[in-house]
Amino acid sequence: NAGVTQTPKFQVLKTGQSMTLQCAQDMNHEYMSWYRQDPGMGLRLIHYSVGAGITDQGEVPNGYNVSRSTTEDFPLRLLSAAPSQTSVYFCASSTGNSYEQYFGPGTRLTVT
Amino acid sequence: GNSVTQMEGPVTLSEEAFLTINCTYTATGYPSLFWYVQYPGEGLQLLLKATKADDKGSNKGFEATYRKETTSFHLEKGSVQVSDSAVYFCALIRLNSGYSTLTFGKGTMLLVSP
Repeated sequence: NAGVTQTPKFQVLKTGQSMTLQCAQDMNHEYMSWYRQDPGMGLRLIHYSVGAGITDQGEVPNGYNVSRSTTEDFPLRLLSAAPSQTSVYFCASSTGNSYEQYFGPGTRLTVT
Repeated sequence: GNSVTQMEGPVTLSEEAFLTINCTYTATGYPSLFWYVQYPGEGLQLLLKATKADDKGSNKGFEATYRKETTSFHLEKGSVQVSDSAVYFCALIRLNSGYSTLTFGKGTMLLVSP
């Protein structure tokens, strides 16, 4: 099993550009989440999904869109990048009955 | 709302020293508590967990006891190694429409020197 994979590993965007961060898991987990990690802030939940076709907002959803068309994939879209979105982004997945979340290796995004 | 407070780092120790990283929480009901570890350049991994009061979670020589009376979940290790250098996150679970979402502390960096 590859676990949770994320691409790209690094990305630099200009203000106003859009892009999609990819996340995939091969553990057949129902639940998937996106977090951002900022210095001194810990991890904050952006969006999450409890299954294909079902998504909901987390703590800091503004400026981000998600969709979940398959169990395996949960992409995060930045519609118009802003410098405030410079961060490290982590995708995580878990089973419905498990409290353990499995994290991907992260995507480091810089918006100039 | 729910929140987690950890001691600020970095914590710098020599190899074989005793480690304590303090964590306190505020939550409604009876949350489950976790410690996650993030090694340099990697994602987070679950280190240990405790799901009810007085439970002790343990893994890789680390342990933490769920203290409801003091709302604490301090992480301890009797003898740290250089390989323990990482960022440690305390977290609690809250239920949100049937989905368990994690609330994290800000993280504590541990640096262990030989």
